[in-house]
Amino acid sequence: DVVMTQSPLSLPVTLGQPASISCRSSQSLGLGNGNTWLNWFQQRPGQSPRLLIDHVSNRDSGVPDRFSGSGSDTDFTLKISRVEAEDVGVYYCMQYSYWPHTFGQGTRLEI
Amino acid sequence: EVQVVESGGGLVQPGGSLKLSCAISEFTFSNYWMNWVRQPPGKGLEWVANINPDGSARRHVDSVEGRFTVSRDNAKNLLFLQMNSLRGDDTAVYYCTTGFAVWGRGTLVAVSS
Repeated sequence: DVVMTQSPLSLPVTLGQPASISCRSSQSLGLGNGNTWLNWFQQRPGQSPRLLIDHVSNRDSGVPDRFSGSGSDTDFTLKISRVEAEDVGVYYCMQYSYWPHTFGQGTRLEI
Repeated sequence: EVQVVESGGGLVQPGGSLKLSCAISEFTFSNYWMNWVRQPPGKGLEWVANINPDGSARRHVDSVEGRFTVSRDNAKNLLFLQMNSLRGDDTAVYYCTTGFAVWGRGTLVAVSS
């Protein structure tokens, strides 16, 4: 199985400051057809997961533009340009280039 | 707006069975892959199973292979997860999701004697 490793696991941040989460895969997620199937999710306390980013860098509908995704091969990053109070929660990366689909352990963002 | 509602969870003894359902509204259900994802209490997310649009192909994570079966009814916009031989480590909130874009609130499955 592809292992997804996130860092840090806990991320204390200051309101208005940037934040960055790393996600590394145990093998390249880039497929020969040019697709890289890597998503980022946000899970606020007591809520269901919410898709933030798909295909490495495409923001889902309604996601604020302070969220951005980047990366390739085995190294991916989620960035928040200016953290707001509503961003508190756990962030997960997930690959679906391979079966079984696998999630990272999660990064808890706290103010 | 697409709505996803899971049901069928509950308390079951080890070795027992449950069938989860997921109703999806306002959505062209038959065009999309559907997934089940679970989350044990206080822990992270685990992909469990998915099924292709016409139901002809399905995959399950190894830990549930042979015990769980995903299926769908495109005429009724319903997704199912039949869970047999349940174990304590199957205890989790089970989410239904439309290709990971829209998620339900989940249904809790608790396996305990």
